[in-house]
Amino acid sequence: LAKTTQPISMDSYEGQEVNITCSHNNIATNDYITWYQQFPSQGPRFIIQGYKTKVTNEVASLFIPADRKSSTLSLPRVSLSDTAVYYCLVGDMARTAGNKLTFGGGTRVLVKP
Amino acid sequence: NAGVTQTPKFRVLKTGQSMTLLCAQDMNHEYMYWYRQDPGMGLRLIHYSVGEGTTAKGEVPDGYNVSRLKKQNFLLGLESAAPSQTSVYFCASSYQGYGYTFGSGTRLTVV
Repeated sequence: LAKTTQPISMDSYEGQEVNITCSHNNIATNDYITWYQQFPSQGPRFIIQGYKTKVTNEVASLFIPADRKSSTLSLPRVSLSDTAVYYCLVGDMARTAGNKLTFGGGTRVLVKP
Repeated sequence: NAGVTQTPKFRVLKTGQSMTLLCAQDMNHEYMYWYRQDPGMGLRLIHYSVGEGTTAKGEVPDGYNVSRLKKQNFLLGLESAAPSQTSVYFCASSYQGYGYTFGSGTRLTVV
């Protein structure tokens, strides 16, 4: 499984854009990049998933360069409720792999008023 | 609401006692997983299942057993609880890996 590296913590202010970059230098051809959000005392929640270029949904955008060795989660105009831990995961979507995802330590994002 | 339900939500065990954590999902997902999360750390995979009647070991399987007798249920058992198993346990399910849905967790304390 590809190892991921992301910042331990980030501070931001309400209304700002937050960008979290994740490094995954040994990403494999079949691997997808997935981001989860976890609030205290809750299970992680799926945010976004992508394979290459850019993916956007109602919550976030995911930017993946051509070499796929890193990815950036972008949260537009954050609010206090976006304070959470954000996990970057890289996993093989092949059916036989069981799609096991390995969670690292995540990035603790603190949004200040 | 559709999703993953874990029972119980809280439990205190004495060292050496046994217990079973139940995970139920109503999304007809094939894949189910058990993770543990220690304070300030990420989640670590204990066991997983890719279908009814099948289970496999994850990253930290020692001291745990699992069973998937029905597609919608995934049970995690502790035969002889140890203080090192004090943690928050999360169950998750997925449709072929396209986004995991997690339960709200079981907070287990072993004294």
